[in-house]
Amino acid sequence: QSALTQPASVSGSPGQSITISCTGTSSDVGSYKYVSWYQQHPGKAPKVIIYEVNNRPSGVPDRFSGSKSGNMASLTISGLQAEDEADYYCISFTSSNTWVFGGGTKVTVL
Amino acid sequence: EVQLVESGGGLVQPGGSLTLSCVASGFSLRSNWMHWVRQAPGKGLFWVARIDIDGRPTNYADSVKGRFTISRDNGKNTLYLQMSSLRPEDTAVYYCVRSVYGVYGNFDSWGPGTLVTVSS
Repeated sequence: QSALTQPASVSGSPGQSITISCTGTSSDVGSYKYVSWYQQHPGKAPKVIIYEVNNRPSGVPDRFSGSKSGNMASLTISGLQAEDEADYYCISFTSSNTWVFGGGTKVTVL
Repeated sequence: EVQLVESGGGLVQPGGSLTLSCVASGFSLRSNWMHWVRQAPGKGLFWVARIDIDGRPTNYADSVKGRFTISRDNGKNTLYLQMSSLRPEDTAVYYCVRSVYGVYGNFDSWGPGTLVTVSS
């Protein structure tokens, strides 16, 4: 159960779009549509922003979107805002009926 | 209002045991998948274990399999994590997490977490 691979950091200016990648294997990301994304602000519990690759829970702005191709999933934040500065984690279901997180990506709004 | 509150964390020596509890309110535990997720200080999230609505099956991360046991008492609306043979690398904040039944990966409610420190 190796962690999914995410870039350690991504940055962008307000209003820009950024994309965070999440690379797994054919035993997890590549085999299932069960990839989710979580946002975590310092000292807070994580919050789901995308589930099942590209579904947004109610209340999550539509500038957050998800996609998947092969063994890689992606989270795109369009129209970056100051409050988007946080840590972001992907997670995927695996062929072992377990879940595995990515290492996390720190998003900085310049 | 959906609420999860963990308890039972603390300082324990390597090789020791500890049981975490998570009391749910505002919803019925028996209708949801439940998980434990941990986060070591300054580190990322790590999925620990899950339990199905009936208490079976249960699944574990490889690094805790055989040492940790997840269970639930639907009557008390409480989730548990029994931890034994604890190691320093188990030091983390442990979160109790609800997963919407039938929707994979929608971990929609998290507790505030309880800190477990494994140290001599």
